[in-house]
Parts: sequence; C-alpha cells; structure tokens
Amino acid sequence: DGGITQSPKYLFRKEGQNVTLSCEQNLNHDAMYWYRQDPGQGLRLIYYSQIVNDFQKGDIAEGYSVSREKKESFPLTVTSAQKNPTAFYLCASSISPAVYEQYFGPGTRLTVT
Amino acid sequence: EDQVTQSPEALRLQEGESSSLNCSYTVSGLRGLFWYRQDPGKGPEFLFTLYSAGEEKEKERLKATLTKKESFLHITAPKPEDSATYLCAVQPTRETSYGKLTFGQGTILTVHP
Repeated sequence: DGGITQSPKYLFRKEGQNVTLSCEQNLNHDAMYWYRQDPGQGLRLIYYSQIVNDFQKGDIAEGYSVSREKKESFPLTVTSAQKNPTAFYLCASSISPAVYEQYFGPGTRLTVT
Repeated sequence: EDQVTQSPEALRLQEGESSSLNCSYTVSGLRGLFWYRQDPGKGPEFLFTLYSAGEEKEKERLKATLTKKESFLHITAPKPEDSATYLCAVQPTRETSYGKLTFGQGTILTVHP
C-alpha cells in the first residue's frame, strides 16, 4: 500500500535533548512538508521541501532542522532551542509543489518534560 | 497576510440533522481551497479541492461549495461516523507561497445517534 509513515507514534523526551521524527513516503511524491498542530490552533508549517537536497523554512522554523537526502524521506529534528516542543507533528507530501493536494501521515505526538 | 477562519468552532447534530460548516478566507489570490477531515489522534484525510467560485464537489453525504470569500461544507443526513474535526486550508497564488497551505483552526463536528 502506498502512503506516508511516521514513527514513532508517541515520543517522550527530557528537556534539553534533541529528538528526530521520522517521515517516509512511498508515493513517489516530490514535495514534502512538516506541520505542527496545537490544541485549538490550525496546522502551522515548519519546513517544506520541493525537491531532494532542497528545503525552505515555513512559518515557525526556529528550533527545528530538516534534511532531504532521499526523495522518500524527510526527517525533522526538534532541537533543544525549540521553546515549546510538546505538540502533535504531522508530515505531508504532494505529487509536486504545483499539485497542491497534500496527503498526511498519521502523526507523532511529542511530549517534552 | 493570508487568513482562514472556520465557524462554528464546534457543532453538535442529531443523526439525520443536516447542517453546514463555514470557511471564510482572506487571500490576495486563491489558487485552491482544500477540505480535510481529521479524526482524534490521526492525520488529516483529504476530502476536496475547489479552485474557482461556483465550483461544487460531492462525496457521499458531504458537499463543498466555494464563493469568492468563503466555502461551505454541507453535511446531509449525517451519521455518527461523520463525527470528526473538519479543516479548511487555502493556497494563495503568490510565488513566494508556492506549495504552502494556510489552515483554519477547524470545526469539531459531533453527531449523536
């Protein structure tokens, strides 16, 4: 089955630790995205990548980093510089940046204490 | 700045009681408007894309419509399994927003049997 996988589903970390969230897709999509979702707020874009080895900051990139070394993978690192990292993180992909329907993975809930 | 406002924040319906969800948007130029359904703890599921005023799309009990300032998601004779959060997002025509979506905060729909 084609789709987007995110792992792990739940992640717990201590404050001050960096953590990497995995996102893999086998849809052969060029574009990939990372969003953050907090209760009562809309999804907010963290980073996006239109093509391998290229990515751009979204609206709330501070404290996050990404890489796009392979078409199917777009991992997100939440660094210790992110002041409020506890949130639900969603990865998405689209066939290309010009085709705007984005398809989402199941999400990773990160809790930092 | 692009803005998407969804109303109401929450809607409680009896099974079979039809209603509509609203998505008002402010964007300099609209490339597309998207509706998603999100179940608790899961990633959003793509429903519809609307591109121009007057366009309508249907899927089972759902029908999405678009005007120049807002979109409606009409739910006809809803069932308890339609209970979810419905998200609206817009894609502006600006090149600097290529591939980026702006989301509303969502409407939480609960359908009682």
